Amino acid sequence: DAKTTQPTSMDCAEGRAANLPCNHSTISGNEYVYWYRQIHSQGPQYIIHGLKNNETNEMASLIITEDRKSSTLILPHATLRDTAVYYCIVRVGSGANNLFFGTGTRLTVIP
Amino acid sequence: DTGVSQDPRHKITKRGQNVTFRCDPISEHNRLYWYRQTLGQGPEFLTYFQNEAQLEKSRLLSDRFSAERPKGSFSTLEIQRTEQGDSAMYLCASRPGQGYEQYFGPGTRLTVT
Repeated sequence: DAKTTQPTSMDCAEGRAANLPCNHSTISGNEYVYWYRQIHSQGPQYIIHGLKNNETNEMASLIITEDRKSSTLILPHATLRDTAVYYCIVRVGSGANNLFFGTGTRLTVIP
Repeated sequence: DTGVSQDPRHKITKRGQNVTFRCDPISEHNRLYWYRQTLGQGPEFLTYFQNEAQLEKSRLLSDRFSAERPKGSFSTLEIQRTEQGDSAMYLCASRPGQGYEQYFGPGTRLTVT
């Protein structure tokens, strides 16, 4: 499975867009990019996933580069409740089983 | 609240004791997962069930760990002869067969003294 690299931490002002990068330069053609987040003392929460097209849902947008070697999760208007650890995961299949979370990016939204 | 429940939420035990955790997934989900999370790390996969069949186990799941899902509904994770290194958050997740999202429970925090 492809390994991902994320910054350890980021800050974002409340109301601004939060752009969280992820590098996955060894991704293979059948591997999907997933994003989960974990708010303190809770279980992880699914955000979004994609294969090669950009994706958007009610929580976020996922931008995947054309070569698929990196992606960016965008929270369009960050709120204090978005403060969490964000995990970028690359796995085979749209219904992947064992997810490898790594250490993620700790996003702090500042008032 | 995702609909996945775990019991107990917290467990303190002495080294060498056995502990058992329970996970109740969302009722129509046939896939169930156990993860372990230590401080400052992301969750690590332990094992996966499809219905009652245990289809995948991580090398992290030593001989002291056993998981069951006897009727394809709730699952239990037992740790025998606990060690201090077993102290962690144990997370359960479930997913419907055709879905892609894993729904996580709140976890059971184990402290081994």
